[in-house]
Amino acid sequence: GAGVSQSPSNKVTEKGKDVELRCDPISGHTALYWYRQRLGQGLEFLIYFQGNSAPDKSGLPSDRFSAERTGESVSTLTIQRTQQEDSAVYLCASSSSSGSRYEQYFGPGTRLTVT
Amino acid sequence: AQSVTQLDSHVSVSEGTPVLLRCNYSSSYSPSLFWYVQHPNKGLQLLLKYTSAATLVKGINGFEAEFKKSETSFHLTKPSAHMSDAAEYFCVVSPTGRRALTFGSGTRLQVQP
Repeated sequence: GAGVSQSPSNKVTEKGKDVELRCDPISGHTALYWYRQRLGQGLEFLIYFQGNSAPDKSGLPSDRFSAERTGESVSTLTIQRTQQEDSAVYLCASSSSSGSRYEQYFGPGTRLTVT
Repeated sequence: AQSVTQLDSHVSVSEGTPVLLRCNYSSSYSPSLFWYVQHPNKGLQLLLKYTSAATLVKGINGFEAEFKKSETSFHLTKPSAHMSDAAEYFCVVSPTGRRALTFGSGTRLQVQP
């Protein structure tokens, strides 16, 4: 079956522009997560959705970052006024429910480059 | 706060020899621990997970890991490396009370012919 998909796969933007990154989770998965992976580093948690609500936004690095989820499906991560330090791979994951015993399935990521 | 430390950023082995990737965790409680693998230009894939059942956990592709509470370790091993094992490996903890995962900094495994 279809896995987690993300679009675009690559995005190059100029400093100061806004970008939107999209995640399509596995159908029926109620939990959705956004992570960021900077070059040569592990993943940093950004935000977690259970259904359409976000009980944990603690990883968002600044108020320039926001995310929403609609219809318990697609999620969009928006970065406003992008900075060069925002350059990273942004990964989305979904799971059938929340909790450590539920495997998180990862998408291929969106590589964001801010010039 | 719960965290993981991967002790080696790079490991190089010869094909057919054993693999050992080291991970130590920091936790006040019995954590849930995972190993994920990331092949170049591919998504992260779960190798195995420990969630307080058997301390020796078997995963996919011949990998296994042993949870040792006394040593706060969760090292990943494989008896015989294959060329296709070359990838980045992440030790991961699921912090108590949180749903998100906390990743280590990763170990890049090279397999020499």
